[in-house]
Amino acid sequence: ILNVEQSPQSLHVQEGDSTNFTCSFPSSNFYALHWYRWETAKSPEALFVMTLNGDEKKKGRISATLNTKEGYSYLYIKGSQPEDSATYLCALDSNYQLIWGAGTKLIIKP
Amino acid sequence: KAGVTQTPRYLIKTRGQQVTLSCSPISGHRSVSWYQQTPGQGLQFLFEYFSETQRNKGNFPGRFSGRQFSNSRSEMNVSTLELGDSALYLCASSLAGRQGTYEQYFGPGTRLTVT
Repeated sequence: ILNVEQSPQSLHVQEGDSTNFTCSFPSSNFYALHWYRWETAKSPEALFVMTLNGDEKKKGRISATLNTKEGYSYLYIKGSQPEDSATYLCALDSNYQLIWGAGTKLIIKP
Repeated sequence: KAGVTQTPRYLIKTRGQQVTLSCSPISGHRSVSWYQQTPGQGLQFLFEYFSETQRNKGNFPGRFSGRQFSNSRSEMNVSTLELGDSALYLCASSLAGRQGTYEQYFGPGTRLTVT
């Protein structure tokens, strides 16, 4: 059974600070790694889909890196803002299904 | 471009009943996936449909079933409801092709309460 783990489970960050969190996955049978942001009372929203070892993607203040050989991906947020408060989910693509981590809940303190 | 829509948004059923939830994907998207989310749990994959064919199914009992129509709209059905089926059910659509390479677009979800 494939397992995707995210750490930490939750994170409190001061507004303006930068932060990062981790997604770990089995490195065998890798096809793609997804990152999503899920704000309270909204639907999950895609941030990145990453497929190649060494991939780095960026969207505004948010960026992600991928290491498929060792089985991890990092998500970075630079200069956190209150609107970044959300749960960040990663998901591993495996055989026409996404296997989801439990998420990292990010709370930005003003 | 209209987003993914799900109906109904909220539903209350009693144990033993059955329920059908509907999902209309973004126009042009041929893949529809269904997920269950319960308090304290991450998203649990139910099944994925592409061009009316189920390509994969998660680890759920046979009471959970689904189908996809020729216009890509999808329905999921849960028979003989149990209290533990109370959850948020999300559907997501993506472009044609291998599911994992395309980002998924989620609907607002159907909140099912079983009493």
